[in-house]
Amino acid sequence: ETGVTQTPRHLVMGMTNKKSLKCEQHLGHNAMYWYKQSAKKPLELMFVYNFKEQTENNSVPSRFSPECPNSSHLFLHLHTLQPEDSALYLCASSQEFEGPTYEQYFGPGTRLTVT
Amino acid sequence: AQSVAQPEDQVNVAEGNPLTVKCTYSVSGNPYLFWYVQYPNRGLQFLLKYITGDNLVKGSYGFEAEFNKSQTSFHLKKPSALVSDSALYFCAVRDQTGFQKLVFGTGTRLLVSP
Repeated sequence: ETGVTQTPRHLVMGMTNKKSLKCEQHLGHNAMYWYKQSAKKPLELMFVYNFKEQTENNSVPSRFSPECPNSSHLFLHLHTLQPEDSALYLCASSQEFEGPTYEQYFGPGTRLTVT
Repeated sequence: AQSVAQPEDQVNVAEGNPLTVKCTYSVSGNPYLFWYVQYPNRGLQFLLKYITGDNLVKGSYGFEAEFNKSQTSFHLKKPSALVSDSALYFCAVRDQTGFQKLVFGTGTRLLVSP
């Protein structure tokens, strides 16, 4: 396994629910990411955190709210989602220094279904 | 803006035959190129990367990739395919201006038949 865990692995929620996705990395990395993977589409980068600070928000709707309390944990809080938000949500981490040469390590993902 | 293209949705190959999964890229600076594999119900696993140096990069599970600057390509190859190689393969690129922004292709499904 890659050292990045995600819970839950599957989630079904109604459009009015509030839920959270959790990611934990055991690799000592200093950067964490949320991606959305939908069928027939490229992976979409949603958020980037460096040293717990959010450095990128890729025009993600406000119904997705990330939280990074420390460099090992990352959350994605969900509320009032739409059916089109159903997808596989992937967390990743990497060790970022001064150059973009470091690969990202991915968790297994949370399969989200919005009903 | 940087981008990658994977022109084949699916590649079919018989076990024991060589395989190639194609990727072309477009970046404004020097490219940093990656290949990932995704097995069913799993996250993406890193296979290999090209940063600089030798154009032939060797990676995990016997895979290799050839960087070709003139053709802006980074094709993934393996001399002898295994049924267990059947999975979804993603090419990705970062450039020097796109700090931490890893752009993925749409993926190519590899199906290796016994």
